[in-house]
Amino acid sequence: NAGVTQTPKFRVLKTGQSMTLLCAQDMNHEYMYWYRQDPGMGLRLIHYSVGEGTTAKGEVPDGYNVSRLKKQNFLLGLESAAPSQTSVYFCASSYSIRGEETYEQYFGPGTRLTVT
Amino acid sequence: AQKITQTQPGMFVQEKEAVTLDCTYDTSDQSYGLFWYKQPSSGEMIFLIYQGSYDEQNATEGRYSLNFQKARKSANLVISASQLGDSAMYFCAMREAMEYGNKLVFGAGTILRVKS
Repeated sequence: NAGVTQTPKFRVLKTGQSMTLLCAQDMNHEYMYWYRQDPGMGLRLIHYSVGEGTTAKGEVPDGYNVSRLKKQNFLLGLESAAPSQTSVYFCASSYSIRGEETYEQYFGPGTRLTVT
Repeated sequence: AQKITQTQPGMFVQEKEAVTLDCTYDTSDQSYGLFWYKQPSSGEMIFLIYQGSYDEQNATEGRYSLNFQKARKSANLVISASQLGDSAMYFCAMREAMEYGNKLVFGAGTILRVKS
């Protein structure tokens, strides 16, 4: 099992450019999450998904969109990048037992994004 | 809203000694969970230990133990017999239920440096 993988690992964008971050998991997990980590702060939730075709907003969703067309993939899009979106982005996934989500979230290695 | 406070921006510990990393939390939920994650300089998030609010015994995982004091709303991480490889950023986090699924609410982190 590769676990949770993220593509790309690093990216530099100019203000106004768009890009998509890909998160993939091979553990058949139902739940997937996108977090961002800024200096001096812990991770904050951007968007999440509780299953294929469903997404919801987290605490810092502005400027981002997400899609989950396949259970194993969760895409994070930046339509018009801004310097405030310079951050490290982490994807995570978790699964459920008998309909209840288990507590542990499995994290990907992160994507370091710089917007100039 | 839940909140996690880590009051120690940085800590030093001598190799082979024990160290305690502080975490206090604030929640009105009766059922919650507390986590500790390690983030080495390579950037990945490594799950260390979990404590459920209804667990009567403190969680332990190898050299890691969680000193859970519910009345004081604290969940301190104790690392015994520190090793050089323990040098990293450590995050305390709390599981917060959303309409669907759970998110993790993170503290700002504590940087631990182990001296030889």
